[in-house]
Amino acid sequence: AQKVTQAQTEISVVEKEDVTLDCVYETRDTTYYLFWYKQPPSGELVFLIRRNSFDEQNEISGRYSWNFQKSTSSFNFTITASQVVDSAVYFCALKRDSSYKLIFGSGTRLLVRP
Amino acid sequence: EAGVAQSPRYKIIEKRQSVAFWCNPISGHATLYWYQQILGQGPKLLIQFQNNGVVDDSQLPKDRFSAERLKGVDSTLKIQPAKLEDSAVYLCASSLGIEQYFGPGTRLTVT
Repeated sequence: AQKVTQAQTEISVVEKEDVTLDCVYETRDTTYYLFWYKQPPSGELVFLIRRNSFDEQNEISGRYSWNFQKSTSSFNFTITASQVVDSAVYFCALKRDSSYKLIFGSGTRLLVRP
Repeated sequence: EAGVAQSPRYKIIEKRQSVAFWCNPISGHATLYWYQQILGQGPKLLIQFQNNGVVDDSQLPKDRFSAERLKGVDSTLKIQPAKLEDSAVYLCASSLGIEQYFGPGTRLTVT
């Protein structure tokens, strides 16, 4: 069975703090894809990153970084020096190679206070 | 490039009424998806189209939900009759490759 768990329901930080959002996934497939999406209050899901199962290299994009570890089935997302505009719900998702369907976690609501 | 368009943005209906949502995907995207997102949960796929053919509708409650994509571009999702538990945000997404791009969603409230 395919499953994504985001154990942190809500996180509150003060602006400029670093914050890590956890994502743990379950799959028996050898080829799969992992994603992070941001959902601001406007409701639209904004694509942030995709990783495939064969690429464990960590990635950094500005203040965002992602840590993919197959050994622990985790794909964690860190925001450095958080800003109020980062306040949103963040979703981690899994896609099997054999399917287009995205399997989402329940999301983590991030509140960045000024 | 224009994103995925959806209308209406908000809809309030009474139970047992019918409702329809419209989606216009990104130009050139052959694959179109409808997701249901209940408050506090992640989106759940209802139906997936490849051009105008259905690829996956295994999680669509077919006794009350229907969807079509007649010309392989726009799509409509209909609920008839609506139940209280259908209150959710209905998201449309489209893709050309692996990444899916989402519209702003339609927030449905059934009273």
